Amino acid sequence: KNQVEQSPQSLIILEGKNCTLQCNYTVSPFSNLRWYKQDTGRGPVSLTIMTFSENTKSNGRYTATLDADTKQSSLHITASQLSDSASYICVVSESSNYQLIWGAGTKLIIKP
Amino acid sequence: KAGVTQTPRYLIKTRGQQVTLSCSPISGHRSVSWYQQTPGQGLQFLFEYFSETQRNKGNFPGRFSGRQFSNSRSEMNVSTLELGDSALYLCASSNSVRETQYFGPGTRLLVL
Repeated sequence: KNQVEQSPQSLIILEGKNCTLQCNYTVSPFSNLRWYKQDTGRGPVSLTIMTFSENTKSNGRYTATLDADTKQSSLHITASQLSDSASYICVVSESSNYQLIWGAGTKLIIKP
Repeated sequence: KAGVTQTPRYLIKTRGQQVTLSCSPISGHRSVSWYQQTPGQGLQFLFEYFSETQRNKGNFPGRFSGRQFSNSRSEMNVSTLELGDSALYLCASSNSVRETQYFGPGTRLLVL
């Protein structure tokens, strides 16, 4: 069964610290993997999209990694800011029938 | 380019009524997807339309329906509203569902 699991479910860190969010998937056949940031009450915003051949992709202080062999991805946030407080969602695209498999998200809280 | 727009932004209905939500995708995008998000929950996929055809459907009852017009604008209809239908309804557009989706601000529906 196609699944995307994210950990931790929630995370609290101090402003200025780094953190890493995890995403494990069992989606097959694989097309791409995306990370979205969703502020409370708003629509998700794309951070990165990675295909099978890409290992790392950065977007400012956000760096996503992908290990297609182990079917794992991570999102690393450097020097966190209060505005990074949001839910971070991992989404995997399945290539045979245009389906997107959504993770439940990690709720990140940055404290001053 | 203008972003994805959704109307109305807020809506209050009573049980048993029906409601129609509208989504205008980014110009040139042919794929439109709809999602439901209840408080504290992840996004639940409703359906995806591509060139006026429903390509995928989530696990929602038949009370939830949609359509897409030739200009790619999409509508979602919910009949016989229930209290549990209270949620944020998000629309996302893309060139293809395999590419980055761009989300609208959502319609917040409250069923009393």
